[in-house]
Amino acid sequence: QQQVKQSPQSLIVQKGGISIINCAYENTAFDYFPWYQQFPGKGPALLIAIRPDVSEKKEGRFTISFNKSAKQFSLHIMDSQPGDSATYFCAASTGGGNKLTFGTGTQLKVEL
Amino acid sequence: DADVTQTPRNRITKTGKRIMLECSQTKGHDRMYWYRQDPGLGLRLIYYSFDVKDINKGEISDGYSVSRQAQAKFSLSLESAIPNQTALYFCATSEALAPRGNEQFFGPGTRLTVL
Repeated sequence: QQQVKQSPQSLIVQKGGISIINCAYENTAFDYFPWYQQFPGKGPALLIAIRPDVSEKKEGRFTISFNKSAKQFSLHIMDSQPGDSATYFCAASTGGGNKLTFGTGTQLKVEL
Repeated sequence: DADVTQTPRNRITKTGKRIMLECSQTKGHDRMYWYRQDPGLGLRLIYYSFDVKDINKGEISDGYSVSRQAQAKFSLSLESAIPNQTALYFCATSEALAPRGNEQFFGPGTRLTVL
């Protein structure tokens, strides 16, 4: 049973465009929602995270939007660049980030 | 991340063989994790350890065992490898307490192929 559902599986965006990746969760006890970025041949690395007491968090070109009532959260990448091409995973946990449940991943390609 | 190392990086083995994947970290973190990554399935937790004397099963522990030899070392074993254990395996670490404990640091991965 997939507790965190992620879409789309793959995404192609033109340079300068907006990339949007969506996740939905079932467990209302989740209280920490990170996004991890993974480049080919590397392990995932934390990109940005949010807690459910805020609806949005922005760090540079990356923004998480969070909708607690809908149990959904999304990653927006503004002004997407070829260097953003990577696989993105959403995740969720209870009691902080120590035991994460990951989404299935989105492979993003930013074309020139 | 050079602070979390995994050996070997690539391994090809045969069905029925015992194999051990090793993870070492120099971050001084108490908590360590083993995940496997499969295309279309994301990362799934196999085992995790919150300190040297603490071992916990994750969502897909069947067919795997672990050993926490020291704070810095956490090994994953496949007692009798089978082809559907072919995957990319990641070790990760984190601090014990929030907020820094919220972030997990991943190693570079081990690509395992079971023939």
